[in-house]
Amino acid sequence: GAGVSQSPSNKVTEKGKDVELRCDPISGHTALYWYRQRLGQGLEFLIYFQGNSAPDKSGLPSDRFSAERTGESVSTLTIQRTQQEDSAVYLCASSPDRVGGYTEAFFGQGTRLTVV
Amino acid sequence: DQQVKQNSPSLSVQEGRISILNCDYTNSMFDYFLWYKKYPAEGPTFLISISSIKDKNEDGRFTVFLNKSAKHLSLHIVPSQPGDSAVYFCAASAVSWGKLQFGAGTQVVVTP
Repeated sequence: GAGVSQSPSNKVTEKGKDVELRCDPISGHTALYWYRQRLGQGLEFLIYFQGNSAPDKSGLPSDRFSAERTGESVSTLTIQRTQQEDSAVYLCASSPDRVGGYTEAFFGQGTRLTVV
Repeated sequence: DQQVKQNSPSLSVQEGRISILNCDYTNSMFDYFLWYKKYPAEGPTFLISISSIKDKNEDGRFTVFLNKSAKHLSLHIVPSQPGDSAVYFCAASAVSWGKLQFGAGTQVVVTP
């Protein structure tokens, strides 16, 4: 597709269950980012993949959160034992290169996660 | 530690007037700044950017100004249109960093 694609668009899960969120970046983009936006708040950085380098996981809020990326393609964000405070919109973005190289990041439409 | 700050959560402006959105940052390593626009239930879309070697960048109705000494940037929208009603996020990055740090956003409402 032409843009960043995320699935599912909405997910309702019970507290304590695990969830997987998927991101298909724009083809050829080496950089991939996960952010989340809680209700009424800004975008919070979670994790950043750049090519084959070790990912920058500095934004992951707890060890219940993990993410993988296969090469320069699909990424999966996994949240284990979900808690109500995990409810948020999870946004994925990709970029042709690292953003500091004067390129912007392109965002998907997000996955709205609701933990009940 | 909020390194990018947008201190105005909301802004109301009349159609045809100028909208001015402000953003402050604390990390002097930042050398690339972006503005994103977000409509409800959609992902943010890129609007305009500026590198630290410039102090102004213009694209149609949108102009971004950068004051490095004050660690401050602003986005001017003129004239404002009803379709500009959205949340605007300021973001910053550094070459060595690769990731974007976002502000909390400013909700802009353009009234007829």
